[in-house]
Amino acid sequence: AQSVTQPDIHITVSEGASLELRCNYSYGATPYLFWYVQSPGQGLQLLLKYFSGDTLVQGIKGFEAEFKRSQSSFNLRKPSVHWSDAAEYFCAADNTDKLIFGTGTRLQVFP
Amino acid sequence: EADIYQTPRYLVIGTGKKITLECSQTMGHDKMYWYQQDPGMELHLIHYSYGVNSTEKGDLSSESTVSRIRTEHFPLTLESARPSHTSQYLCASRQLAGGHEQFFGPGTRLTVL
Repeated sequence: AQSVTQPDIHITVSEGASLELRCNYSYGATPYLFWYVQSPGQGLQLLLKYFSGDTLVQGIKGFEAEFKRSQSSFNLRKPSVHWSDAAEYFCAADNTDKLIFGTGTRLQVFP
Repeated sequence: EADIYQTPRYLVIGTGKKITLECSQTMGHDKMYWYQQDPGMELHLIHYSYGVNSTEKGDLSSESTVSRIRTEHFPLTLESARPSHTSQYLCASRQLAGGHEQFFGPGTRLTVL
């Protein structure tokens, strides 16, 4: 069955530290891949997407993600985290016209 | 400004009431979706539509119903709300072709007492 896995439920980092959020997918063929961010009580905002081509994609708010076919991964990174980055992050995949979401990673940022 | 709107943002009602959650988008998108999200949990697709007069059930069984009479409007209705319906409901839309990214509304947090 198609699935998206985010192994880390909760991550805590200090402001200014680097960040990597993990995402693995299980699909027959490479799906379209997305990262979304959700602040408390809000909807989801698209950070970045991967369809094909360059495996390192740039997104908004200084985020980037790297697609690795051999590892079925699409990890999200940011070189220096800001306190405003504290939120829930969802990885999602789509190859059947419907998004399948991971369970999310809650990011906490300490000053 | 092209956007996707949901009303109300918060709703607290008693058991047995009929409710309609509104979702409208001004982006000209044909495809629209409803997701249910419990606190701290992933999103589950409950309904979707490919265009006017098209509605389909999603992966998560839901007692709610939807309609799509106009392209921009995709309301969700619960005929008789129960405490088990307490959740956040998120509406999304995307283009018919091209990019597969979905754009989300701010959500409606529903509490049924």
